[in-house]
Amino acid sequence: DIQMTQSPPSLSASVGDRVVITCRASQYTDIYLNWYQQKPGKAPELLIYATTRLQSGVPPRFSGGGSDTHFTLTISSLQPQDSATYYCQQSYSSPLTFGPGTKVEVK
Amino acid sequence: QVQLQESGPGLVKPSQTLSLTCAISGDSVSSNNAAWNWIRQSPSRGLEWLGRTYYRSKWYSDYAVSLESRIIINADTSMNQFSLQLNSVTPEDTAIYYCARVGHFGLFYFDYWGQGTLVTVSS
Repeated sequence: DIQMTQSPPSLSASVGDRVVITCRASQYTDIYLNWYQQKPGKAPELLIYATTRLQSGVPPRFSGGGSDTHFTLTISSLQPQDSATYYCQQSYSSPLTFGPGTKVEVK
Repeated sequence: QVQLQESGPGLVKPSQTLSLTCAISGDSVSSNNAAWNWIRQSPSRGLEWLGRTYYRSKWYSDYAVSLESRIIINADTSMNQFSLQLNSVTPEDTAIYYCARVGHFGLFYFDYWGQGTLVTVSS
């Protein structure tokens, strides 16, 4: 199985800040890396797929990057509604696996 | 707009079978582009993909290796839904269970999710 790790586990930032979350895979995953946002009591929602592609309806302040085993999710200007937990997920090989999450608090 | 809705018992006794159904609207369980998945979430395990079913001229299912011996995922075309059956449950199977669609079979991202249903395993 491909193991996913994320850093930091949590962060607190102010409105307008640039936030970067890192995701690492234990093996090569090519471009098959996706990001989700989850708010309390809700299902995860797709933000980014195939490393860089923005899901329809997702604000452009979210962007993804990286390659091979190292990936990033960037929020260019943090907004109050971005308070949530963010998960990466590899879709390179079965079983599909998720990272442990990064909890983002907006001060 | 695709919508998914899980249903099933919220409480299951240890050693019994957990059975959930996911009703689909806005797409077909027999779609040649999609795959239909079960995912669960618990504080101890995080988000865990359980398995999927999909139709490509015939039905296929595949599962997380750790659950292979006790999981079945089936489709019901007459009701446009798919189901999860997990046998011999233990308290470790307590989690929120989600159904989710993979809409682009080559890229395997989950683009639509159900709201989730909490299943507790307890006597």
